[in-house]
Amino acid sequence: AQTVTQSQPEMSVQEAETVTLSCTYDTSESDYYLFWYKQPPSRQMILVIRQEAYKQQNATENRFSVNFQKAAKSFSLKISDSQLGDAAMYFCAYRRGNTGNQFYFGTGTSLTVIP
Amino acid sequence: EAQVTQNPRYLITVTGKKLTVTCSQNMNHEYMSWYRQDPGLGLRQIYYSMNVEVTDKGDVPEGYKVSRKEKRNFPLILESPSPNQTSLYFCASSLRPRDPLGYTFGSGTRLTVV
Repeated sequence: AQTVTQSQPEMSVQEAETVTLSCTYDTSESDYYLFWYKQPPSRQMILVIRQEAYKQQNATENRFSVNFQKAAKSFSLKISDSQLGDAAMYFCAYRRGNTGNQFYFGTGTSLTVIP
Repeated sequence: EAQVTQNPRYLITVTGKKLTVTCSQNMNHEYMSWYRQDPGLGLRQIYYSMNVEVTDKGDVPEGYKVSRKEKRNFPLILESPSPNQTSLYFCASSLRPRDPLGYTFGSGTRLTVV
């Protein structure tokens, strides 16, 4: 079974600084997708960034980028120039590419941004 | 606006009183799913549906029912709620089961069973 591990229940970062949230996953498959979702206090789940496993290039979306290490099964999220609005719970998620139906979510990392 | 609409946003009920949480999407998505979110456990899948009249259990289906009579709607039914079903529930949809674009989520339903 696939598992997704987020080993940092809580993180904090100074405004304008950079923070990295870690995520590891366990799979025997070669085709899959990885996601980071943000959940602010409003509870809405917002897609931050995604990565296809077959792509070697790390995905970036403005201030958000990932470090995808396929061999190590690691998928960390880097937030640059942190802003107060980045404060949220962040979930890492895995989705199979060819078979299976569902996402597997990590337990989340609560990010605090300090002014 | 493309969205997944969940209702109600908050619900307090008593043990044993049947309830339904509605979920509707306007994107013609084939795949819909229900999750519950609990502290320290992340999101766990309750049920999912690959298409109309096709539903199946996720990881934590006990105590829940679903139906998919129309493509846009996927209600979650708790026939006899118990306090251990107190949780934050999310409905999510995607164009197809293995959509690389991921899910669109509803805004969540905070359920308290007393």
